[in-house]
Amino acid sequence: NAGVTQTPKFRILKIGQSMTLQCTQDMNHNYMYWYRQDPGMGLKLIYYSVGAGITDKGEVPNGYNVSRSTTEDFPLRLELAAPSQTSVYFCASSQSNTGELFFGEGSRLTVL
Amino acid sequence: DAKTTQPPSMDCAEGRAANLPCNHSTISGNEYVYWYRQIHSQGPQYIIHGLKNNETNEMASLIITEDRKSSTLILPHATLRDTAVYYCIVSLLNAGNMLTFGGGTRLMVKP
Repeated sequence: NAGVTQTPKFRILKIGQSMTLQCTQDMNHNYMYWYRQDPGMGLKLIYYSVGAGITDKGEVPNGYNVSRSTTEDFPLRLELAAPSQTSVYFCASSQSNTGELFFGEGSRLTVL
Repeated sequence: DAKTTQPPSMDCAEGRAANLPCNHSTISGNEYVYWYRQIHSQGPQYIIHGLKNNETNEMASLIITEDRKSSTLILPHATLRDTAVYYCIVSLLNAGNMLTFGGGTRLMVKP
C-alpha cells in the first residue's frame, strides 16, 4: 500500500493564481483531512470529509475549497492564491473518526 | 485555550529512555490522550493513545497518572532517528476531526 499520496510536493504560485493540491489514499479510509502547517507552528485543520460526497469546514477554511467525489481522492483547491497561503499542506486519512490518522508527506506551497 | 502543555524542547542521550511529559489538567472523563511525532517536515506519525490505563506498543509506552491530569510518553531506547517534534493531544475517541496539534516538544537525541 502506498498509503496517502500527495502531489505536487513543491509548487510556487503567483498572487491571484489558482491551483489544486491532489491527495489520494489506497487504504479505503472513509475519513480524510487537509491540514496546513506554517513555519515553526503546529497543524491547523482546513477541511475534512467523512465519506464520498460529504465535506465540512475545519478551523481555517477561508480561501480553500474541497470536493470528495470518490473514497480515494480528496483534492484541495486554492482560489486566488495569497501570500498568507504560503505553507506546508498535509493530507491525512483515517479508517473511522478516531484519532489515528495517516498522513501524507506534504505539499510545500509558496505564493509570491 | 490550550488543552495540553508540553516543554518546548528536550535532549536525550542515544540509547537512553526518553521521557516526554504532558500536562492536561482540564481533560474530561471521555477524552483520550494521543501522541504523534513529526520528523523534520515529514507528515505527522501516530504513536499511541490511551484513556486511563497505561499503554504500550512497538514504538513507545504511555503512562497516564491516576487523576489523568498528566501523562508521559516513554521511548525506551532512544535512537538518533527518534529526533522529532512530539505532539500530545487530548481528544474524544470518535473525533478525528478535532485533533489540535499545538507546539509540541522538540526532542533532540544526541550521540
